[in-house]
Amino acid sequence: RKEVEQDPGPFNVPEGATVAFNCTYSNSASQSFFWYRQDCRKEPKLLMSVYSSGNEDGRFTAQLNRASQYISLLIRDSKLSDSATYLCVVNRGSGGSYIPTFGRGTSLIVHP
Amino acid sequence: DAGVTQSPTHLIKTRGQQVTLRCSPKSGHDTVSWYQQALGQGPQFIFQYYEEEERQRGNFPDRFSGHQFPNYSSELNVNALLLGDSALYLCASSLDPQAATNEKLFFGSGTQLSVL
Repeated sequence: RKEVEQDPGPFNVPEGATVAFNCTYSNSASQSFFWYRQDCRKEPKLLMSVYSSGNEDGRFTAQLNRASQYISLLIRDSKLSDSATYLCVVNRGSGGSYIPTFGRGTSLIVHP
Repeated sequence: DAGVTQSPTHLIKTRGQQVTLRCSPKSGHDTVSWYQQALGQGPQFIFQYYEEEERQRGNFPDRFSGHQFPNYSSELNVNALLLGDSALYLCASSLDPQAATNEKLFFGSGTQLSVL
């Protein structure tokens, strides 16, 4: 079983739709969680951190469920510009530092 | 304020050769990590450098080595290249990894390595 798993998609949705992605992780010692966005042939960019209490940034909401070991990303009112690959990142603490593990990403295509 | 810069942007090598990739971190960042991203996959962690030392290492063979300089810039070296080493190599910078709030990564645009 992979340490971080994501459905690669693609998720194909119309503009204005609400879409949700999940990401599961296997290591219960994982400490911190993030969502990154990667456009085609570009570098990943931090979208948002994920906290146990859940956090929201405009149309984006991230949630962490430690008991079930998954994180989620909800995008409301999808825009064409949201089309990208969304990478889940899980950090595991190690020797005072951390080791990040990326999922393979979930592809989102928003169409008119 | 310059972000993370990597060079070269593209590179073509043949099997068995050696390659060196370079990275300059974002201004004010002291930690550099390297990732390999194959087509259709997420970035895979290679190693992390802090204070000129390898702090963490992922599951990569010894053919992959690195260095960090006093100005925090870094190099990734790959020896005895294999066809499977063809990938996008990403460098990311961050602040002191011991602080949990400093785990956010800022990526360069990467070096596309093709091994023929």
